[in-house]
Amino acid sequence: DGGITQSPKYLFRKEGQNVTLSCEQNLNHDAMYWYRQDPGQGLRLIYYSQIVNDFQKGDIAEGYSVSREKKESFPLTVTSAQKNPTAFYLCASSKAGATRYEQYFGPGTRLTVT
Amino acid sequence: QQQVKQSPQSLIVQKGGISIINCAYENTAFDYFPWYQQFPGKGPALLIAIRPDVSEKKEGRFTISFNKSAKQFSLHIMDSQPGDSATYFCAASNNQGGKLIFGQGTELSVKP
Repeated sequence: DGGITQSPKYLFRKEGQNVTLSCEQNLNHDAMYWYRQDPGQGLRLIYYSQIVNDFQKGDIAEGYSVSREKKESFPLTVTSAQKNPTAFYLCASSKAGATRYEQYFGPGTRLTVT
Repeated sequence: QQQVKQSPQSLIVQKGGISIINCAYENTAFDYFPWYQQFPGKGPALLIAIRPDVSEKKEGRFTISFNKSAKQFSLHIMDSQPGDSATYFCAASNNQGGKLIFGQGTELSVKP
């Protein structure tokens, strides 16, 4: 089955710890994205990557870091500098070209930091 | 100018009724307008999308109406069913690396 995998589904961390969220896709998509979703709000873009070894900051990149060493993988690290890290994190991917905008989402990781 | 404003925040509809969710935007450079459906604890799923060269697009019970001059677009769900109960997000993009700007979401509840 083709799709986007995010793991784990639930993640708990203590304040001050860095944590890395996994995102893998086997759709052969070029672009990948990380969003943050808070209750009652839309999705806000953290980082995105259109090709391997290249990525750009989204609207709320502060306190987050990413890497794109492989086409299939786009891990997100939530650092201790992120002031309010508890949220639902969503990874998405899309093709480039004419259908570039059709983003497909993974199941999400709910991160709780106490 | 990058915002997409969505209304209402929540909506209750009787089974068989029509659900209507509205979105408005300011940036005239936006050229792609998708709608996503999200069930609790799941990732959003692309439902239907439209480009500004057409005024309406229909897929089954779901229709997008697009008014370019008013900079508004809406989702109509005909014959709404309890299984349609979910949160719906509109979004817009202006070809900047595929970035999508999302509305705040509408929580739809269809009562049997």
